[in-house]
Amino acid sequence: RKEVEQDPGPFNVPEGATVAFNCTYSNSASQSFFWYRQDCRKEPKLLMSVYSSGNEDGRFTAQLNRASQYISLLIRDSKLSDSATYLCALYNFNKFYFGSGTKLNVKP
Amino acid sequence: DGGITQSPKYLFRKEGQNVTLSCEQNLNHDAMYWYRQDPGQGLRLIYYSQIVNDFQKGDIAEGYSVSREKKESFPLTVTSAQKNPTAFYLCASSTRPGTGTHFTDTQYFGPGTRLTVL
Repeated sequence: RKEVEQDPGPFNVPEGATVAFNCTYSNSASQSFFWYRQDCRKEPKLLMSVYSSGNEDGRFTAQLNRASQYISLLIRDSKLSDSATYLCALYNFNKFYFGSGTKLNVKP
Repeated sequence: DGGITQSPKYLFRKEGQNVTLSCEQNLNHDAMYWYRQDPGQGLRLIYYSQIVNDFQKGDIAEGYSVSREKKESFPLTVTSAQKNPTAFYLCASSTRPGTGTHFTDTQYFGPGTRLTVL
């Protein structure tokens, strides 16, 4: 079983829409959680860390649900520039584990 | 200007050759990592190092080798034993577990090296 699983998408949404991604993880002892954004042929860049209490950064909200072992990312008022692949990641026992990414296409 | 640099950006290799990918960081991070990403795939861990002169195999270490002689540097050699080396190689660094603000600081990535075998 993979440590981290994500729906690969693509999610095709119009500008201004709200879109949410989930990411499930298998190890309940996982310690820290993150969302990264990766543009085509570029390196992943940190979007936000995910805290137990949930956190918000502008149009982006991240949540952690330890009971059900998933993290989520909500994007409000989608912009064309939000089109990218979103990777969830977690840290567990000296290693980071990454999901394979969810592709988002925001259309005019 | 702090960050992680990787060179070269593009690398072409003939079959049977060894090549070395460079990774340097000036973030004063203890831990460094090498990943491989294939088209449409996630990141797979090749090797990681928590401290100078020590490193561990990741999930796909066969055909690769590393060294960690300096804190700032973690070069990756792709050997001729690696059967399918064409991929996007990403280097990353973070603070050592237990020494950062949370269990671990966030992992930051270099810009990557695209390796193509001719």
